[in-house]
Amino acid sequence: GENVEQHPSTLSVQEGDSAVIKCTYSDSASNYFPWYKQELGKRPQLIIDIRSNVGEKKDQRIAVTLNKTAKHFSLHITETQPEDSAVYFCAAYGNNRLAFGKGNQVVVIP
Amino acid sequence: DVKVTQSSRYLVKRTGEKVFLECVQDMDHENMFWYRQDPGLGLRLIYFSYDVKMKEKGDIPEGYSVSREKKERFSLILESASTNQTSMYLCASSPGGSNQPQHFGDGTRLSIL
Repeated sequence: GENVEQHPSTLSVQEGDSAVIKCTYSDSASNYFPWYKQELGKRPQLIIDIRSNVGEKKDQRIAVTLNKTAKHFSLHITETQPEDSAVYFCAAYGNNRLAFGKGNQVVVIP
Repeated sequence: DVKVTQSSRYLVKRTGEKVFLECVQDMDHENMFWYRQDPGLGLRLIYFSYDVKMKEKGDIPEGYSVSREKKERFSLILESASTNQTSMYLCASSPGGSNQPQHFGDGTRLSIL
């Protein structure tokens, strides 16, 4: 089945700086890649997603890039704010299911 | 807005008990999922369902079963609860077809004593 690796596990950034989280996947047939944000004690919430026919997608301060050849995709957060502090999960859709990475704790330092 | 409701936020049960976790969605979604979330392990798929009375095993189905008698409701059953099933359980739903975003409930934190 699909295996999704997520790096780094923890990321600390100064407020206003950019944060980048990278994920790799194993199944070249995977074709849908969502990102979820989970604040402490809350549900995971979809923040952005990308399909395999697109290389990049932006939504205000967040963007996702996909490199199908290298089988990796990344989340970019620009101008980070304290409310961006959360755990971020990447996922890849393959074999009729989503496979999630283990999560990345992002801490934005005011 | 999609609403996925899990019946309990916190639940404490004893070893050997039969435990039911309930999930209801109000968006007429075909697909429903049960995950467990443990620190350092991310979200792991237990079971999922693409239609009423249909179920498929996920990555960690052992010790669990599910029931989907109505489209909006998906139940997770721990046949005989054990301490290693202490975890956060998350239900999700998505529209029919592949490549659809999943929407999560608030989760049930289950403790087995």
